[in-house]
Amino acid sequence: AQSVTQLDSQVPVFEEAPVELRCNYSSSVSVYLFWYVQYPNQGLQLLLKYLSGSTLVKGINGFEAEFNKSQTSFHLRKPSVHISDTAEYFCAGRSNTGNQFYFGTGTSLTVIP
Amino acid sequence: EAQVTQNPRYLITVTGKKLTVTCSQNMNHEYMSWYRQDPGLGLRQIYYSMNVEVTDKGDVPEGYKVSRKEKRNFPLILESPSPNQTSLYFCASSLNSKDGGYTFGSGTRLTVV
Repeated sequence: AQSVTQLDSQVPVFEEAPVELRCNYSSSVSVYLFWYVQYPNQGLQLLLKYLSGSTLVKGINGFEAEFNKSQTSFHLRKPSVHISDTAEYFCAGRSNTGNQFYFGTGTSLTVIP
Repeated sequence: EAQVTQNPRYLITVTGKKLTVTCSQNMNHEYMSWYRQDPGLGLRQIYYSMNVEVTDKGDVPEGYKVSRKEKRNFPLILESPSPNQTSLYFCASSLNSKDGGYTFGSGTRLTVV
């Protein structure tokens, strides 16, 4: 079973509209959870991370994510997107039993002018 | 500037010809890892290293070798490359395995013909 599941492979959204990118994790993943962004022809960049504490995590570029233990989810949100947010977004988590990391298959966010 | 440096950026090689992709970080990070990125599959962990002389397999280690003789370097070795190893490879490092705030290299696009 996929350890980290991103439910949407592509998300188109109009500029200045809100967006939510969904991520669910399995029992094999610990509660150390992360979101990364990948712009075209670049490496990945950390957006935000949840290690413990407040379930609402704020990251760079106006993104935030909410950790929900009961729903095993870590969805990423932004209230108003810009053209520059067009990129691939990856959810990731650390293994419960070791030191491996698991990435989701990615969500391609396209912001439409 | 804190960074992870991978070389080369692009490489085309023939089946069976041994190659090494280098990775170096200047942040004194303990944890380093190699990933391959394939369309529709996201990033999959090949090998990781908790510290000098400590390495372990990720999800897709077959056909790859690594070594960690110095803290800053973590080369990826393909002893006998095959076409199914054609992929985009990323090296990443983080302070430790729990922190998970990876710094990624810019990637190496490998084509094996």
